Amino acid sequence: DAKTTQPPSMDCAEGRAANLPCNHSTISGNEYVYWYRQIHSQGPQYIIHGLKNNETNEMASLIITEDRKSSTLILPHATLRDTAVYYCIVRRYTSGTYKYIFGTGTRLKVLA
Amino acid sequence: NAGVTQTPKFQVLKTGQSMTLQCAQDMNHEYMSWYRQDPGMGLRLIHYSVGAGITDQGEVPNGYNVSRSTTEDFPLRLLSAAPSQTSVYFCASSYLTSGNYEQYFGPGTRLTVT
Repeated sequence: DAKTTQPPSMDCAEGRAANLPCNHSTISGNEYVYWYRQIHSQGPQYIIHGLKNNETNEMASLIITEDRKSSTLILPHATLRDTAVYYCIVRRYTSGTYKYIFGTGTRLKVLA
Repeated sequence: NAGVTQTPKFQVLKTGQSMTLQCAQDMNHEYMSWYRQDPGMGLRLIHYSVGAGITDQGEVPNGYNVSRSTTEDFPLRLLSAAPSQTSVYFCASSYLTSGNYEQYFGPGTRLTVT
């Protein structure tokens, strides 16, 4: 199964960009990369996803390397409310359906 | 829309007891899944379903059963609870054919087995 590797924790100053890296070196050509975050112990919340091209939405930007072995989630202006655990996930197609393989995540702490 | 709902929010069981965790969604999603999250860990897939009458195993299926008799409901059954099943359980749902497979998660059920 394609797995993801993320740094366990990061700090970011409020108002600065937070850049969260993810390694998914075993990803296959048709597997999407998804990012979710989990605030406290709530259910994870969708942020963004991509296949090959860079993506941007109102929450974040996703930069995927050309070889697709890694990606970076960018929160352009981090706020205290962005303190959370961020998960990089590969959506894998297997046995005729999809599975979402979660990594252990990066605990982002935004500092005032 | 209520989204994904889970009941109960909290549950304490004794070893050997059985129970069912309920999950329901009102978004007409084909795909539903159950995850468990142990302290300090990511989510691990227990079982999933791509539609009514179709279920399959995830990464950690032992000790759990599921069924999917309707599109809306996807209950998770613990057959004989063990302390190793103490965890937070999340249910999630998504479309399967729309192109954006964003998963919507429920609020979780916190289960303690003594």
